[in-house]
Amino acid sequence: EAQVTQNPRYLITVTGKKLTVTCSQNMNHEYMSWYRQDPGLGLRQIYYSMNVEVTDKGDVPEGYKVSRKEKRNFPLILESPSPNQTSLYFCASSSDRVGTYEQYFGPGTRLTVT
Amino acid sequence: ELKVEQNPLFLSMQEGKNYTIYCNYSTTSDRLYWYRQDPGKSLESLFVLLSNGAVKQEGRLMASLDTKARLSTLHITAAVHDLSATYFCAVVNYGQNFVFGPGTRLSVLP
Repeated sequence: EAQVTQNPRYLITVTGKKLTVTCSQNMNHEYMSWYRQDPGLGLRQIYYSMNVEVTDKGDVPEGYKVSRKEKRNFPLILESPSPNQTSLYFCASSSDRVGTYEQYFGPGTRLTVT
Repeated sequence: ELKVEQNPLFLSMQEGKNYTIYCNYSTTSDRLYWYRQDPGKSLESLFVLLSNGAVKQEGRLMASLDTKARLSTLHITAAVHDLSATYFCAVVNYGQNFVFGPGTRLSVLP
């Protein structure tokens, strides 16, 4: 089954404790993105990647890092989480094979930073 | 800076009625997407609109794009309860930089 997976699905942590949220896709997509969703703000793109070793900042990259060492994986790293990073995070992947770049989203990771 | 607005932000409508959700954006873009999100769930792609005048239909939903007006509409025909969800539009700024609207929360009442 074609899918985007994220782990963990739920995470409660404390300020300053480094964490990584993993994202993996099995569709051989070139493009991957991370978003955060906050009430009333829609989704905001954190980082995106256009291929292995190619990443770029989205609209809210501060406090986050990413890497793309393999095509299928795109982990999101919070080196020193703060309470304002409490949010719902989505990973997405897409391809230009049919020219639409249609995104497929993972199930989401709800992060709480205390 | 690309801004994407949606209106209304909240919509309560009766079953059987028609309504339109509007999405407008501030700078030129050649791709516009509509998504649906059910409470507690992820996003599901509904429509991809790639050119001026594009119209796509699926069931009771129809989306259109006017790139000159920087406006997309999502029209709901004869609403049913199953359409209750939050609907987002998203526009591509450059590369793979997607900018989403704030969402329209739709409630269809019996």
